[in-house]
Amino acid sequence: NAGVTQTPKFQVLKTGQSMTLQCAQDMNHEYMSWYRQDPGMGLRLIHYSVGAGITDQGEVPNGYNVSRSTTEDFPLRLLSAAPSQTSVYFCASSYSIQNTEAFFGQGTRLTVV
Amino acid sequence: AQSVTQLDSQVPVFEEAPVELRCNYSSSVSVYLFWYVQYPNQGLQLLLKYLSGSTLVKGINGFEAEFNKSQTSFHLRKPSVHISDTAEYFCAAGGGSQGNLIFGKGTKLSVKP
Repeated sequence: NAGVTQTPKFQVLKTGQSMTLQCAQDMNHEYMSWYRQDPGMGLRLIHYSVGAGITDQGEVPNGYNVSRSTTEDFPLRLLSAAPSQTSVYFCASSYSIQNTEAFFGQGTRLTVV
Repeated sequence: AQSVTQLDSQVPVFEEAPVELRCNYSSSVSVYLFWYVQYPNQGLQLLLKYLSGSTLVKGINGFEAEFNKSQTSFHLRKPSVHISDTAEYFCAAGGGSQGNLIFGKGTKLSVKP
């Protein structure tokens, strides 16, 4: 049982480039979310999904796009990378929106130069 | 506003000493409360959770936390820490308006020999 799997673990982008961070879970969870972690800021919600075909914005959505075509996968797309998007990104899933327990991936450390 | 406050950003402590990491939550969040641990360059691992029932919650690695509704606190404790407990600890509350977890900004625990 792999849990939540994120790829890649590390990535360096040039300003203006685009890329997709992958996230997959094998627990049949309905609720999935993306957070970014910045020093001294805790984790902030970027986007979330309550089920296949349904996504919505979180606290810091600008510059990011998501889709949820299947229950298992929830990719995060950076449309045109900026240095302010240098961060550690975590994908999480939980059984439902009531979110009694979230399971996290190992994170993607992104640097935009 | 929904918020979780971790009162100490850094806590240095000597090995085998007791430690308490403090967390307060706003009464507007749900009382689903969690502590996560993040070791260097790793993802978030659940230490313990409070959903209902007994106010004293025991977790992994000898940690425990006490839910105090009147003081809106959920402090994390360990009677004797080890070098391997050096990590960043996050307090989080469920029930965000978007189904997300609301995180505190983290406490870095540094255990010295």
